[in-house]
Amino acid sequence: AQSVTQPDIHITVSEGASLELRCNYSYGATPYLFWYVQSPGQGLQLLLKYFSGDTLVQGIKGFEAEFKRSQSSFNLRKPSVHWSDAAEYFCAVGALNNDMRFGAGTRLTVKP
Amino acid sequence: DTEVTQTPKHLVMGMTNKKSLKCEQHMGHRAMYWYKQKAKKPPELMFVYSYEKLSINESVPSRFSPECPNSSLLNLHLHALQPEDSALYLCASSQGTMGRQETQYFGPGTRLLVL
Repeated sequence: AQSVTQPDIHITVSEGASLELRCNYSYGATPYLFWYVQSPGQGLQLLLKYFSGDTLVQGIKGFEAEFKRSQSSFNLRKPSVHWSDAAEYFCAVGALNNDMRFGAGTRLTVKP
Repeated sequence: DTEVTQTPKHLVMGMTNKKSLKCEQHMGHRAMYWYKQKAKKPPELMFVYSYEKLSINESVPSRFSPECPNSSLLNLHLHALQPEDSALYLCASSQGTMGRQETQYFGPGTRLLVL
């Protein structure tokens, strides 16, 4: 079965600084990769996804992610963080039967 | 419209109660999902319905009973729950195309407290 590791439980960045959230996956076939964001007590909002094609994927709210097959990684980046980006970020890997597994999540705190 | 709605937003129930959670989507999606999310943990898949048929049951206790009466609606019937079942219950839907990974769209969740 597929699995995801998010090595960083909690990250703090200053507003305006750049951000990179790490995600490593394990899956025997072509991975389908997602980043979701969750504000406290809310549902999950899709930021971006990778199914195939260009390995640099653009998402909403100025986020992007790069798929690196050789490193089994799908790291999320943003050049300049806003206070409203503070939330929990989940990386997920899906299989063809739509069985999706989430990483443990990374909590992002933004300092003013 | 990429909206998945869930009712109620909050639910408090005793261990002997019977209650139901409801999820609805009008995007024409044919796959629907229930996830359970404990505090500070990732969502965990419980059930998947594909074309109104149960396709995945992740060994969920029988006190949780899913139902998909039509392609737009998904229910989760709760009976004799335990306090450890308190969590955020998330519903999601996707197009339901067979043999293809799809994007799942999530509802806001129902926060359940079992006393």
